[in-house]
Amino acid sequence: AQRVTQPEKLLSVFKGAPVELKCNYSYSGSPELFWYVQYSRQRLQLLLRHISRESIKGFTADLNKGETSFHLKKPFAQEEDSAMYYCALSDPYNFNKFYFGSGTKLNVKP
Amino acid sequence: DAGITQSPRHKVTETGTPVTLRCHQTENHRYMYWYRQDPGHGLRLIHYSYGVKDTDKGEVSDGYSVSRSKTEDFLLTLESATSSQTSVYFCAISEDSGPDTQYFGPGTRLTVL
Repeated sequence: AQRVTQPEKLLSVFKGAPVELKCNYSYSGSPELFWYVQYSRQRLQLLLRHISRESIKGFTADLNKGETSFHLKKPFAQEEDSAMYYCALSDPYNFNKFYFGSGTKLNVKP
Repeated sequence: DAGITQSPRHKVTETGTPVTLRCHQTENHRYMYWYRQDPGHGLRLIHYSYGVKDTDKGEVSDGYSVSRSKTEDFLLTLESATSSQTSVYFCAISEDSGPDTQYFGPGTRLTVL
């Protein structure tokens, strides 16, 4: 079974500090990985996906197949980054089946 | 926001009653999904649809049924609601069959007393 683990429920950092949100996954196959974000009073939305290799709002994520991790990083956190972040993967045998982690709440303090 | 609406946005009901939640899209996307969001569990897929009248089960489908008679509407039904189905329900849509970006609705908060 596909599983996504986000070990931190809450991560608090100061503005300007580096931030890393951890995501580990278990899989059978080659899943596609995503990070979704939910800002306060907004809809859940895509932040970035592995296949596009884009940097969105200064965030990047590197897929480490050996460690089965897809950690989200940003070198200098901003207060507007405060939100709920979800790591997700799509089942490589059925791309319509997505599995989400339990989420990490990022709080960036001034 | 993508053209996705959910109705109702809030509902309180009693155990044993049937409940239907509606997801409506104006994007003409082929794929539609229902998730539930619970603390400590993130989002879990209930059912999804890959076309009109074509649906399949997700991770937590027990106690739920779905129907899709038109491209734009995807209905989620709780035949006999239980307190364990108290949750926030999200609809999502995607355009392609690959591992495509999903666009989410605003959510429906359901409380079963």
